[in-house]
Amino acid sequence: GENVEQHPSTLSVQEGDSAVIKCTYSDSASNYFPWYKQELGKRPQLIIDIRSNVGEKKDQRIAVTLNKTAKHFSLHITETQPEDSAVYFCAASKRSNFGNEKLTFGTGTRLTIIP
Amino acid sequence: DTEVTQTPKHLVMGMTNKKSLKCEQHMGHRAMYWYKQKAKKPPELMFVYSYEKLSINESVPSRFSPECPNSSLLNLHLHALQPEDSALYLCASSQVLLSGYEQYFGPGTRLTVT
Repeated sequence: GENVEQHPSTLSVQEGDSAVIKCTYSDSASNYFPWYKQELGKRPQLIIDIRSNVGEKKDQRIAVTLNKTAKHFSLHITETQPEDSAVYFCAASKRSNFGNEKLTFGTGTRLTIIP
Repeated sequence: DTEVTQTPKHLVMGMTNKKSLKCEQHMGHRAMYWYKQKAKKPPELMFVYSYEKLSINESVPSRFSPECPNSSLLNLHLHALQPEDSALYLCASSQVLLSGYEQYFGPGTRLTVT
């Protein structure tokens, strides 16, 4: 099955600086890569996703890059703000025989923004 | 409306109790999911329903019994749970798309088994 590794497990960044979280996946058939943000005691929220036919996607201060050859994808947050502090999970999935896809999550990165 | 709702928010139950968790979405999504999340861990898939049929059971113990009465509702029936089953139970839903989908999570039910 799919295996997703995520690094680093914790990351502290000065407010206004950039943060980068990296994930690698094992199954070359995976074609969808979402990122979720989970604040303490809250639900995981989809913040950005990328599909395998695209190499980069940006939404305001957040961007995701995908390297299919190397099987890794990264989340980039620029101009970080205190409200960016949370746990971030990457995930990977592929189409299954059931017509939908299982998400395999990374182990999470706890991001702390230092004011 | 991109909202998935779950009830109750919190549940405390004894090991001999029977209880149910409820999940609802009105986004027209045809795939619904149950996840279990322990502290400081990623969500762990339990069950997947596709078009109201159970399509994936991740070898979950029979003390957890899912039910999908219609395309908007998903239940998780609990019976004879163990203290190690204490966790955040998350429901999610998604459309079934060819090239990938967006999966939306509910707020979860915090379950404590005493």
